Amino acid sequence: KNQVEQSPQSLIILEGKNCTLQCNYTVSPFSNLRWYKQDTGRGPVSLTIMTFSENTKSNGRYTATLDADTKQSSLHITASQLSDSASYICVVVRSNYQLIWGAGTKLIIKP
Amino acid sequence: DVKVTQSSRYLVKRTGEKVFLECVQDMDHENMFWYRQDPGLGLRLIYFSYDVKMKEKGDIPEGYSVSREKKERFSLILESASTNQTSMYLCASSSQNTEAFFGQGTRLTVV
Repeated sequence: KNQVEQSPQSLIILEGKNCTLQCNYTVSPFSNLRWYKQDTGRGPVSLTIMTFSENTKSNGRYTATLDADTKQSSLHITASQLSDSASYICVVVRSNYQLIWGAGTKLIIKP
Repeated sequence: DVKVTQSSRYLVKRTGEKVFLECVQDMDHENMFWYRQDPGLGLRLIYFSYDVKMKEKGDIPEGYSVSREKKERFSLILESASTNQTSMYLCASSSQNTEAFFGQGTRLTVV
């Protein structure tokens, strides 16, 4: 079954700290993996896209990793800011362009 | 900038009403999608369209229909709204194998 599982379900950290969010998937055939940020009440916004051959990609303070062998990805946030409070969603795209969405990790940054 | 615009941010409808959710994109994208998002479930695909007048069922099409008479507009229709259709509805558009851009979402409450 094609599934994307994220952990933790929610996370609270202090402003300025780093954190890492996890994504495990059982999707095949694999095309690419995406991380989205979704602010409350808003649509998702893309952070990174990684194909099979890429194992790390950065976007400012966000760094995503991909291990296609173990089917795991992570999103690392460095020096968190209050504006990082959001849900972070991992999406795996199949070769037929079907998107398989994770349920997301809700991140709360406390001042 | 790509813009995907949904007609309403918040909507309250009565059980049994016919509900129209409108979505317009300005980037000449071929593909348009309707998702619903519920807590703990992630985004679930309702319907999508790869071309004008073309529609395909997604994962949860029951109780919904769609219309794509023009390339830039994709409408989601709830023929007879029910309380279990209370949700956040997200529209997205994309070109072939490119990033999907999302609208701001419509939070629908059926009472």
